[in-house]
Amino acid sequence: NAGVTQTPKFQVLKTGQSMTLQCAQDMNHNSMYWYRQDPGMGLRLIYYSASEGTTDKGEVPNGYNVSRLNKREFSLRLESAAPSQTSVYFCASSIVGIFTGELFFGEGSRLTVL
Amino acid sequence: GESVGLHLPTLSVQEGDNSIINCAYSNSASDYFIWYKQESGKGPQFIIDIRSNMDKRQGQRVTVLLNKTVKHLSLQIAATQPGDSAVYFCAENNPLGGSARQLTFGSGTQLTVLP
Repeated sequence: NAGVTQTPKFQVLKTGQSMTLQCAQDMNHNSMYWYRQDPGMGLRLIYYSASEGTTDKGEVPNGYNVSRLNKREFSLRLESAAPSQTSVYFCASSIVGIFTGELFFGEGSRLTVL
Repeated sequence: GESVGLHLPTLSVQEGDNSIINCAYSNSASDYFIWYKQESGKGPQFIIDIRSNMDKRQGQRVTVLLNKTVKHLSLQIAATQPGDSAVYFCAENNPLGGSARQLTFGSGTQLTVLP
């Protein structure tokens, strides 16, 4: 049982380049999330998908787009990367239920924009 | 959410001692809280949770205390071990739309266990 799998683990981009971070979960969870983590800070929500077919903005959505490809997969796209998007990105998923809201995180994708 | 900065609060404890990590939260309407542990180079990992109708919850070697009056959480780790060295985050967990949950993270505390 792999849990939440993210690819790639590391990526270096030049300003203006585009890329897509991939995320897949094998736990049959309904909800999926993308967070970013900057040095010395907690995680901030970029986008989420409450269920297959829906996506919504989180706290810091500017400069990003997402696609919920199916129940398992949720991708994050940077159309024109900026140095301010240098960060570690975490994908997460959660099961249904009000008090069973534990999020399961992937290992992270470290992105550097030059 | 909470304000964040570049420098994490730090806590150093001797191996075998008890650790207490504190967290202040901002939303008085929050009804569910989670503590996460994040080891270097890894994603956050669930430790323990507590609902707002409880003051205390115990797990294996860990206890979470909730004081709603002053909006304060603490995580107590008994007999701290080297493997406990990590950054610890508290998070307010509130409903978003549908089945999604919003986690609002604190800035974290770096726990270092000394031999």
